[in-house]
Amino acid sequence: DIQMTQSPSTLSASVGDRVTITCRASQSIGSWLAWYQQKPGKAPKLLIFKASTLQSGVPSRFSGSGSGTEFTLTISSLQPDDFATYHCQQYNSYPWTFGQGTKVETK
Amino acid sequence: EVQLLESGGGLVQPGGSLRLSCAASGFTFSAYAMSWVRQAPGKGLEWVSTLSSTGGSTYYADSVKGRLTISRDNSKNTLYLQMNSLRAEDTAVYYCAKDYGSGPTPCEYWGQGTLVTVSS
Repeated sequence: DIQMTQSPSTLSASVGDRVTITCRASQSIGSWLAWYQQKPGKAPKLLIFKASTLQSGVPSRFSGSGSGTEFTLTISSLQPDDFATYHCQQYNSYPWTFGQGTKVETK
Repeated sequence: EVQLLESGGGLVQPGGSLRLSCAASGFTFSAYAMSWVRQAPGKGLEWVSTLSSTGGSTYYADSVKGRLTISRDNSKNTLYLQMNSLRAEDTAVYYCAKDYGSGPTPCEYWGQGTLVTVSS
């Protein structure tokens, strides 16, 4: 199975900050990586797929990059609505696997 | 508007069974693969199973293989998850999700989830 490792597990930031979350795969997954945002008690929401393609309706302050085994999610200017947990997922091969999540909290 | 509505969760004893349903609307259900993903309390997301659009191909996590069975009824726009021989570690919120399209795709839309609690 492909292991996905996110860092950090928790990130403390302020509104307006540039935020970067990293996701590493235990083997190459090409660009078959997605990022999801999840708020407490709610379902995950797809933000980015194929490593860098922004899902329709997602603000342009979100961006993704990377390929192979190392990927990043960047929020260029953190907004109040962005405090949430972010998950990466590889869908290169079954079993699909997720990172453990990164919680973005208020500093 | 895409809508996915899960039902069937609840409290069940270890070794028991439960069937989850996911009613889909707002898209051509028969054209998309569908998945189940679960989240144990306070934990991360865990993929459970995926079923192709026609039902001809199924994929399972090792942790549920042989105990959980995914199926669909395209005439009713409904996805199912039959859960047998349930264990305490199956306790989680179960989400159904619509895959994005053909080829390798992530989960584009998710339901609100249904809670399954396995406890005596």
